[in-house]
Amino acid sequence: DAKTTQPTSMDCAEGRAANLPCNHSTISGNEYVYWYRQIHSQGPQYIIHGLKNNETNEMASLIITEDRKSSTLILPHATLRDTAVYYCIVSARINYQLIWGAGTKLIIKP
Amino acid sequence: DAGVIQSPRHEVTEMGQEVTLRCKPISGHDYLFWYRQTMMRGLELLIYFNNNVPIDDSGMPEDRFSAKMPNASFSTLKIQPSEPRDSAVYFCASSLPADTQYFGPGTRLTVL
Repeated sequence: DAKTTQPTSMDCAEGRAANLPCNHSTISGNEYVYWYRQIHSQGPQYIIHGLKNNETNEMASLIITEDRKSSTLILPHATLRDTAVYYCIVSARINYQLIWGAGTKLIIKP
Repeated sequence: DAGVIQSPRHEVTEMGQEVTLRCKPISGHDYLFWYRQTMMRGLELLIYFNNNVPIDDSGMPEDRFSAKMPNASFSTLKIQPSEPRDSAVYFCASSLPADTQYFGPGTRLTVL
């Protein structure tokens, strides 16, 4: 599976948009980009995924570059409850092998 | 639905003892995954099942670990004998074929 590179940590002010980058320069044509987050002491939580088009749901937006080598997860109005570790994962749908990196620790500050 | 249910939430045991972790997946989900999370190694996939059949157990660390899924609503992960290095948080997750995985709250295992 392709690997991803994410910043170790980021800060964001409460109420502002949080933009979390992810590089996946070796992504294959059949691999999706998935985002999960893990709030302290809880199980990981699915946020969003996409193949090549931008995606939006009630939690976040996912922007994928045209060459698909990088993406950005956007939390439009961050709250203190969004403080968590955010994981960017690339995976083909068919094999279900999610390879988890270290993620980005996002801290939302009041 | 109550989500993925795991029990116990916390387990403290002594080295050499048998440990059994339990998981009830979301009803209707065809896939079930067992993960282990430690500070050193992060989140690792141990094994996953499709329709109660183990598909890939290459992540199981050694023969001391075994997993079963006797029916669609129950799975166990057993460690026998347990060792201190098995101390970790163990997560169970389930999914439909669309492969968005839903995780349980985890079992925090401490082996003394």
